[in-house]
Amino acid sequence: EIVLTQSPGTLSLSPGERATVSCRASQSVTSSYLAWYQQKPGQAPRLLIYGVSSRATGIPDRFSGTGSGTDFTLTISRLEPEDFAVYYCHQYGRPPWTFGQGTKVEIK
Amino acid sequence: VQLVQSGAEVKKPGASVTVSCKASGYTFSKLGISWVRQAPGQGLEWMGWISTYNGNTNYAQNVLGRVSMTADTSTNTIFLELRSLRYDDTAVYYCAKDYMSSDISPPDFLGQGTLVTVSS
Repeated sequence: EIVLTQSPGTLSLSPGERATVSCRASQSVTSSYLAWYQQKPGQAPRLLIYGVSSRATGIPDRFSGTGSGTDFTLTISRLEPEDFAVYYCHQYGRPPWTFGQGTKVEIK
Repeated sequence: VQLVQSGAEVKKPGASVTVSCKASGYTFSKLGISWVRQAPGQGLEWMGWISTYNGNTNYAQNVLGRVSMTADTSTNTIFLELRSLRYDDTAVYYCAKDYMSSDISPPDFLGQGTLVTVSS
């Protein structure tokens, strides 16, 4: 099983600042099948990024994903008030698919 | 495009639960369905995936033997059955369709989630 470890656990930032969330895999992620999700309280997760760097439909370009192999990053270039949420990375290339433990981006 | 899940359930330990997920607004057989659960205050846990084209399944090891996923193409509905329920099965269960119709696709969460509570 591929274990995904996210860091930091919590990120305290102000609107307008840049957010960087890291996701490290215990093994190389098959064919770059790495996605990022955003989840707000009481809501289902929302797909932001798939295939490491492709934005899902309707996702603003302030969200970007980079990385390869075992190290991946989600960057939010300038935080908007609606971006404060929990973010999860997810590998879907090798069963069992797995999720990171989540990173909470909170208002400082 | 919608995924509408069945309502909340309360079950006793050892019982079984079936959660349904009715799809609409797209060609049902072109996109597989994943089930993902989230225990209260916890992260996301992938439970498995089913092909709505041929019924092939892939289950997570930690629920293998207790879980069944089936698809009814006549009603465009997917079912998750979880047997021998334990207290730690208490969670919100989400169905999610494949984001795109390729061999490998991440889940796209459109279902509202179903709360399953295991309590004596």
